[in-house]
Amino acid sequence: DAGVIQSPRHEVTEMGQEVTLRCKPISGHDYLFWYRQTMMRGLELLIYFNNNVPIDDSGMPEDRFSAKMPNASFSTLKIQPSEPRDSAVYFCASSLTQLNTEAFFGQGTRLTVV
Amino acid sequence: DQQVKQNSPSLSVQEGRISILNCDYTNSMFDYFLWYKKYPAEGPTFLISISSIKDKNEDGRFTVFLNKSAKHLSLHIVPSQPGDSAVYFCAASVVGDDKIIFGKGTRLHILP
Repeated sequence: DAGVIQSPRHEVTEMGQEVTLRCKPISGHDYLFWYRQTMMRGLELLIYFNNNVPIDDSGMPEDRFSAKMPNASFSTLKIQPSEPRDSAVYFCASSLTQLNTEAFFGQGTRLTVV
Repeated sequence: DQQVKQNSPSLSVQEGRISILNCDYTNSMFDYFLWYKKYPAEGPTFLISISSIKDKNEDGRFTVFLNKSAKHLSLHIVPSQPGDSAVYFCAASVVGDDKIIFGKGTRLHILP
């Protein structure tokens, strides 16, 4: 398996524009997580899915953020409209069904909003 | 409020010596702890974990110690090697709650 695949690797956009980040989890993994990494807050959990269903979105910072998982092999994180403070590295991760197993991370998308 | 705290943003250690990275947590319900390693421009990768029923887990040069009464865990790397230079994240989870909560990370520099 190629691991968790995220696209794009880098995204530069202007304030006010819509941004969509994409993730393909590892095949067979039932859990998918979206994290955001910043210097100030480290790795923050934004939202996670189990079997394509959103379970906990309490980490989503504002209504401008939304995430979907239309099927087991694809998820998106959308920011609309984007703001400069959204600049960060966004990671997608997936894990197996069993409890207490480690999550496997993608390489991340570095988002810069100017 | 941070449930998983890594109070040292960075640490420098001489090559060949022991590196000790510390982590504190506030949620007594946490029962599984993990350490991840992250190189620049890459995603975090799993390094080692420990269940709350244990107080030590060892894997080669890496050992994690858990002190439940103090709500403290540490990662020991011995001997430290240049390739160990990276950011290390401490993480924790609760049985029945599948999300993994991460600390802010500690940047480890191994000096030649």
